[in-house]
Amino acid sequence: DTAVSQTPKYLVTQMGNDKSIKCEQNLGHDTMYWYKQDSKKFLKIMFSYNNKELIINETVPNRFSPKSPDKAHLNLHINSLELGDSAVYFCASSQYGTEGAQYFGPGTRLLVL
Amino acid sequence: EDKVVQSPLSLVVHEGDTVTLNCSYEVTNFRSLLWYKQEKKAPTFLFMLTSSGIEKKSGRLSSILDKKELFSILNITATQTGDSAIYLCAVDTGNQFYFGTGTSLTVIP
Repeated sequence: DTAVSQTPKYLVTQMGNDKSIKCEQNLGHDTMYWYKQDSKKFLKIMFSYNNKELIINETVPNRFSPKSPDKAHLNLHINSLELGDSAVYFCASSQYGTEGAQYFGPGTRLLVL
Repeated sequence: EDKVVQSPLSLVVHEGDTVTLNCSYEVTNFRSLLWYKQEKKAPTFLFMLTSSGIEKKSGRLSSILDKKELFSILNITATQTGDSAIYLCAVDTGNQFYFGTGTSLTVIP
């Protein structure tokens, strides 16, 4: 069974569109994350979220918004896509408070044309 | 400002060589340091270190943390072509994971 899954795997879209990426984890973790990895392979955290707190990296544009329908899901919604949003987006999860490691999803490769 | 710095940025070695990857950090609140290996897809977890001087070992890979000097090293002995990857270091501050830029390792047959 896949521990952390993301859909879609690939996403090609036009500038200005709104899109969502879904993430689900079946590890029972209570904290989930979204990362952006750019073409230089630099991994940057965008959000971390548990039942109590959403922590936003202040450099993330407000066009990006996480939505969590329940503890096992953290979706990423992006409004008004721009060329610079092209990247690989990784979802991850961990168990907050137990110093647990993060487990990553397979990534979603987003290309904005 | 919290930060994690890895060195070298890239490394090319021959099979059988031993390599040492470095990770230094400056954070306001340290909980743990983690090492990941990233090949073509998502990062995979290697080690989590919380205490100084205690070596974690898995096969040919080992890692140790120095909380006084604020760094960690990842050693790979008898390297193989399958070790070629980007190795990422991250520090958990309790509410954020700060990643370094990674070290790109290429192992030549």
